[in-house]
Amino acid sequence: GAVVSQHPSRVICKSGTSVKIECRSLDFQATTMFWYRQFPKQSLMLMATSNEGSKATYEQGVEKDKFLINHASLTLSTLTVTSAHPEDSSFYICSADRGTREAFFGQGTRLTVV
Amino acid sequence: EDKVVQSPLSLVVHEGDTVTLNCSYEVTNFRSLLWYKQEKKAPTFLFMLTSSGIEKKSGRLSSILDKKELFSILNITATQTGDSAIYLCASNAGGTSYGKLTFGQGTILTVHP
Repeated sequence: GAVVSQHPSRVICKSGTSVKIECRSLDFQATTMFWYRQFPKQSLMLMATSNEGSKATYEQGVEKDKFLINHASLTLSTLTVTSAHPEDSSFYICSADRGTREAFFGQGTRLTVV
Repeated sequence: EDKVVQSPLSLVVHEGDTVTLNCSYEVTNFRSLLWYKQEKKAPTFLFMLTSSGIEKKSGRLSSILDKKELFSILNITATQTGDSAIYLCASNAGGTSYGKLTFGQGTILTVHP
């Protein structure tokens, strides 16, 4: 099956710093990738749709200046959490659309802001 | 706004029990409903349902969709401790990427030995 790799799997950062999370499709090209956030014991909430070569589409309530998304190639999307604060601590997970009827998820990144 | 609601939110059973997880949805231009199992990391795909009344089966797991009543169920028979996980239901709408999903809250299943 298709593989999506997300890195890092876990990161701890200081409040006020920025953190970059990478999502790579390893064996297929993904024109569209998705970023989700999951708080403890809650479901996945779609944050944004990452479009290769164009601007990301953000869901209502998600600050685009805080969560910067770049999809510069057909195999890589990055999410940068800028000026992170403790309330940004969460599990961030990406998925990629291969054009088949299934989304492939990365392993997720657990972000802790101290 | 599309909405997916799961019930129960949590369930505790003993090994060997059968469980039924519920998922109802309100989706404009519904295309498919998906079930995932999430342990500690990324969700793993279980089923995708697009047609009413056709049961999908994989081992002890099965699922069915009712497009008239707008719900789906996931059944797990002869549960094992390894079935303990969060089970997520998600919908996909036509006219969007197949990867764009609206998730329910999840059902936390705990199976005791």
